Amino acid sequence: DADVTQTPRNRITKTGKRIMLECSQTKGHDRMYWYRQDPGLGLRLIYYSFDVKDINKGEISDGYSVSRQAQAKFSLSLESAIPNQTALYFCATSDRDSPNYGYTFGSGTRLTVV
Amino acid sequence: AQSVTQLDSQVPVFEEAPVELRCNYSSSVSVYLFWYVQYPNQGLQLLLKYLSGSTLVESINGFEAEFNKSQTSFHLRKPSVHISDTAEYFCAVSDRDSNYQLIWGAGTKLIIKP
Repeated sequence: DADVTQTPRNRITKTGKRIMLECSQTKGHDRMYWYRQDPGLGLRLIYYSFDVKDINKGEISDGYSVSRQAQAKFSLSLESAIPNQTALYFCATSDRDSPNYGYTFGSGTRLTVV
Repeated sequence: AQSVTQLDSQVPVFEEAPVELRCNYSSSVSVYLFWYVQYPNQGLQLLLKYLSGSTLVESINGFEAEFNKSQTSFHLRKPSVHISDTAEYFCAVSDRDSNYQLIWGAGTKLIIKP
């Protein structure tokens, strides 16, 4: 099993619908992140969480919300999806005790809003 | 605040030719440097990292990068590329000021021409 698992892998949804993207990890890491990737724009941080009770907005949090249900689970919700939220979404984790060691990424969720 | 610049959005190169992907960052105080690779339709994988010690770091598949503090650069090089190296490459930096969060470059697509 992958260290960081994202579900679903692909999703097509309609404008206005609520959708949740899920992320779970077996790394035992405290820190978790949600990014979106758009062609030519690289990775942009949506939300991050340094532990279960610590959730922070990233640079593009408008239109998104998150829930850290447990150390291992971090979900991203689009309350009312719009077409410009069509993107590739990645979850990542890092270790609080070795924060300079970089991140571990999931395989991504490709979301299309029609 | 830290920033990362990858000047080239795409780098086309013939198979078996050498390649250099450039990465510059803004602040040189105690940084940690990373290159991630994203193969088509996959997530990001750590390629190599500089934490301390030798300024030249190597990956298992023949890439190397050199930390140059005076030029605030961490360019990625490979002496002979293969078609399997086709991917997008992301440079990232972290430091204590960013609480060890990764600051990302926009990515460089390596295009291998047969």
